[in-house]
Amino acid sequence: NAGVTQTPKFQVLKTGQSMTLQCAQDMNHEYMSWYRQDPGMGLRLIHYSVGAGITDQGEVPNGYNVSRSTTEDFPLRLLSAAPSQTSVYFCASSETALALTQHFGDGTRLSIL
Amino acid sequence: GNSVTQMEGPVTLSEEAFLTINCTYTATGYPSLFWYVQYPGEGLQLLLKATKADDKGSNKGFEATYRKETTSFHLEKGSVQVSDSAVYFCALSAHTGTASKLTFGTGTRLQVTL
Repeated sequence: NAGVTQTPKFQVLKTGQSMTLQCAQDMNHEYMSWYRQDPGMGLRLIHYSVGAGITDQGEVPNGYNVSRSTTEDFPLRLLSAAPSQTSVYFCASSETALALTQHFGDGTRLSIL
Repeated sequence: GNSVTQMEGPVTLSEEAFLTINCTYTATGYPSLFWYVQYPGEGLQLLLKATKADDKGSNKGFEATYRKETTSFHLEKGSVQVSDSAVYFCALSAHTGTASKLTFGTGTRLQVTL
């Protein structure tokens, strides 16, 4: 009963390094999204995808890239990490783009030194 | 744009106390409203939802009523347990043409003590 799986759970990077956060879901969900969670700010949408081959920007997309080559996977890439990207990142999926219920992974805690 | 405002925490209660966490929202149209819960070290789990005015969502003893006239969706529980200690997020979902997008409040940490 995997649901949404995120890897790694923790990561420390140096400024300027690149990194890919992995997200996979086994529920055949069309919609996937990435959020970042920062103290006092709730969760903010970074990028989302309404289906394989389709991605779009959310509220805070700068510094992040995504792709959706398969229904199952939705990796988030940091091309040149900055301290401002220190955060907890959550991946979520839902059955369709208009479905109300989203399923969240357990998160990746990322620190940029 | 859409926004969600919820009371700041932390909220500290004794076991069996009554819980209220306030949440108000600003949105165009008719959003759906949610409460998510985040236990330590875990992702967010949907606690309850309401999709239209006057709907009451309920789960695990928690309740919230969608009040359009006051744009509120306050979370209540009659008797909290230590196991309810977590961070609670109020959120709204609005359609933007291609997808439903969630807008979250800042979260309220609840700590329940014996």
